[in-house]
Amino acid sequence: AAGVIQSPRHLIKEKRETATLKCYPIPRHDTVYWYQQGPGQDPQFLISFYEKMQSDKGSIPDRFSAQQFSDYHSELNMSSLELGDSALYFCASSSPGQYLDTQYFGPGTRLTVL
Amino acid sequence: AQSVTQLGSHVSVSEGALVLLRCNYSSSVPPYLFWYVQYPNQGLQLLLKYTTGATLVKGINGFEAEFKKSETSFHLTKPSAHMSDAAEYFCAVTTLFGNEKLTFGTGTRLTIIP
Repeated sequence: AAGVIQSPRHLIKEKRETATLKCYPIPRHDTVYWYQQGPGQDPQFLISFYEKMQSDKGSIPDRFSAQQFSDYHSELNMSSLELGDSALYFCASSSPGQYLDTQYFGPGTRLTVL
Repeated sequence: AQSVTQLGSHVSVSEGALVLLRCNYSSSVPPYLFWYVQYPNQGLQLLLKYTTGATLVKGINGFEAEFKKSETSFHLTKPSAHMSDAAEYFCAVTTLFGNEKLTFGTGTRLTIIP
């Protein structure tokens, strides 16, 4: 079965650079979530989208922005990168019309800021 | 706001022994509870979930969990550990009023002793 796709899988950036992470949800899933998992930490919710509209916002820095496109894929844009942004970034998607349906996670993008 | 507490950041069991991973939740409204497993360098895979109905929930790979409202617990068990069960396990909670975002516990690393 198709799963959530994230690209790139690994990304290395310098401080103050920008990064764009992409997420392709499971086909026909219309809700996308972004989570950040720091080293040895639990995943923290960043932001979510439902039908291309932001549905909820967590502890996402102002330097980060995200959007969901007409084909439901989502991009997380990160600017002025800091060392503390080094983490595993997960995208998850859930199926349409089912509130509190299971979130299916992608493999993550590991971002390293040097 | 809701939260989960996982007791024991590291648990070791012998192969064939009972696995018990503890999770307690805090929520002012009825919770929806999940267990996810994370293998090294991989994404989060859903093991099982509790929303409503039967309080004993069976998941994949022989795992099950019981929702106990009186104890605010959702402990994960498996009768007989297998080497392939070695991984990080996360308990997570959301509620009807949480806009579906998951709040994770800090995780429990399960080690299987041959």
